[in-house]
Amino acid sequence: AQTVTQSQPEMSVQEAETVTLSCTYDTSESNYYLFWYKQPPSRQMILVIRQEAYKQQNATENRFSVNFQKAAKSFSLKISDSQLGDTAMYFCAFMPRRKTSYDKVIFGPGTSLSVIP
Amino acid sequence: NAGVTQTPKFRVLKTGQSMTLLCAQDMNHEYMYWYRQDPGMGLRLIHYSVGEGTTAKGEVPDGYNVSRLKKQNFLLGLESAAPSQTSVYFCASSYSPGQGSNQPQHFGDGTRLSIL
Repeated sequence: AQTVTQSQPEMSVQEAETVTLSCTYDTSESNYYLFWYKQPPSRQMILVIRQEAYKQQNATENRFSVNFQKAAKSFSLKISDSQLGDTAMYFCAFMPRRKTSYDKVIFGPGTSLSVIP
Repeated sequence: NAGVTQTPKFRVLKTGQSMTLLCAQDMNHEYMYWYRQDPGMGLRLIHYSVGEGTTAKGEVPDGYNVSRLKKQNFLLGLESAAPSQTSVYFCASSYSPGQGSNQPQHFGDGTRLSIL
């Protein structure tokens, strides 16, 4: 069974600094997606960044980037130039890649990030 | 753009009462999902649907029922609410692999449900 682990329940960072959130996962699949979702106090679930396992290049979206280490089954999220609006719960998620059928997304327990002014 | 709309946003029930949560999406997505979110546990899949008229059990289906009579709607029912069902419920939808890709999932804003 696939599992997703986020070992940091809470983190804080000074505004404008850089922070890295950790995520590890366990799977026997060779092709899959990995995601980071952001959930601000408004409770919305917002997709931050997505990585496909067969792509070696790390995904980036503006101030957000990932460090994808497939052999180590690690998928960390780096937030550069942290802003107050980055304060949120961050969820790492995993999904096997299927071309014709459904498979479920596995979410980690989340990391609560606070950006301090 | 409405996206995924959940109603109601908040609800308080007494133990044993029943209710239905409604999810509607306007993106022509084939797949729809119901999750519950509890502290320290992330999101757990309750039920999902891969198309109109079809439903399937997820990770934590007990105590819930679902229906997908129309493609755009996915209903989650609690027949006899229990305090253990106090949670935040999220609906999500996505395309199917046949429509291109079933990622990403688009989420509604959630329903906070308290069972007393």
